[in-house]
Amino acid sequence: AQSVTQPDIHITVSEGASLELRCNYSYGATPYLFWYVQSPGQGLQLLLKYFSGDTLVQGIKGFEAEFKRSQSSFNLRKPSVHWSDAAEYFCAVGGRAAGNKLTFGGGTRVLVKP
Amino acid sequence: EAQVTQNPRYLITVTGKKLTVTCSQNMNHEYMSWYRQDPGLGLRQIYYSMNVEVTDKGDVPEGYKVSRKEKRNFPLILESPSPNQTSLYFCASSFVGAEPSAKNIQYFGAGTRLSVL
Repeated sequence: AQSVTQPDIHITVSEGASLELRCNYSYGATPYLFWYVQSPGQGLQLLLKYFSGDTLVQGIKGFEAEFKRSQSSFNLRKPSVHWSDAAEYFCAVGGRAAGNKLTFGGGTRVLVKP
Repeated sequence: EAQVTQNPRYLITVTGKKLTVTCSQNMNHEYMSWYRQDPGLGLRQIYYSMNVEVTDKGDVPEGYKVSRKEKRNFPLILESPSPNQTSLYFCASSFVGAEPSAKNIQYFGAGTRLSVL
């Protein structure tokens, strides 16, 4: 069965500081990995995705993520956080064997201090 | 504009009063799915549909029904809501095709916040 763990429930970061959100997954074959962001009162927006190839993936809003197969991780990073990055972030895993099914982690809420 | 539309956005109801949350997409997607989001649990799949008249249970289907009579619509029905169904609900859609990159990208509605008293 596929699963996703986001170890950090909350993270507080100062504006301008760097941000890293952790994601560990379990999947029996080659995973497809996603990061979604949910701003307050909004739906989910896709930040970036990994299917194959280069393990460092660039996304929107200045975010990037790195796929590390040996560690079963897909951590999200941003070099300099803006106040508008305050939101909840979800990591998700899917794959060819899973059909269209995505399994989500529990989410990490990011607070940005001025 | 490509979108997934859910209605209503907010709903307060009482235990046992049947309700329906509608979901419509304009992207001609075959696949549609309902999730509920609860603090610390992320999104959990309730039901999904691979195409018209084809539906199946997700991970937490108890207390919910769905139907897929038209490709664009996928309503979620709570026949007898209970307080433990108080949650934030999302509808999503995507393609079903041979190309994994297309079928794995799901588009989400804005969510429906349901409170059952």
